[in-house]
Amino acid sequence: NAGVTQTPKFRILKIGQSMTLQCTQDMNHNYMYWYRQDPGMGLKLIYYSVGAGITDKGEVPNGYNVSRSTTEDFPLRLELAAPSQTSVYFCASSFHPTYGYTFGSGTRLTVV
Amino acid sequence: QQPVQSPQAVILREGEDAVINCSSSKALYSVHWYRQKHGEAPVFLMILLKGGEQKGHEKISASFNEKKQQSSLYLTASQLSYSGTYFCGTELEDNTNAGKSTFGDGTTLTVKP
Repeated sequence: NAGVTQTPKFRILKIGQSMTLQCTQDMNHNYMYWYRQDPGMGLKLIYYSVGAGITDKGEVPNGYNVSRSTTEDFPLRLELAAPSQTSVYFCASSFHPTYGYTFGSGTRLTVV
Repeated sequence: QQPVQSPQAVILREGEDAVINCSSSKALYSVHWYRQKHGEAPVFLMILLKGGEQKGHEKISASFNEKKQQSSLYLTASQLSYSGTYFCGTELEDNTNAGKSTFGDGTTLTVKP
């Protein structure tokens, strides 16, 4: 049982480049989330999804986009990368929010 | 809407106890707790739902005071493995926020031999 898988684990981007962070889960969870964590800080919600075809903005959505075409996958797209997007990105999933979240191992992104 | 955690950091000796608090300015539906070790993903510990319940998980337990809009995490007879940063995540009672949680900035717990 793989749980929540994120790729890549590390990435360095130049300012203005774009990339997609991949997230897939094999637990048939309807709820999926993208959080970013800046050094020494908590988790900030970027986008979330309550099921395939349904997405909604979180606290810090600017500069990001998501899609949810299947239950398993929830990719996060960064357009025109900026240094302020340097962070660790965590994808999480849940059967239902009252069951708690399972987090992926994270993607450490640096924008230079 | 972000919950406030206190203290920001605590240092313990093995065998000592600690309490970490999580407070909200709005009515809560649920509070969940996670532990994150350095360089790793957060790991789910437990969730408490509206109703003022208390839960236990080995020597780690938590309470949820609905009226005070506050949850507390209790770590008793701490072990070295308890070291890490503890986060609370809260979901508001407001239905417009259903399905997503806001996290506090964390409490760093260091247990020394």
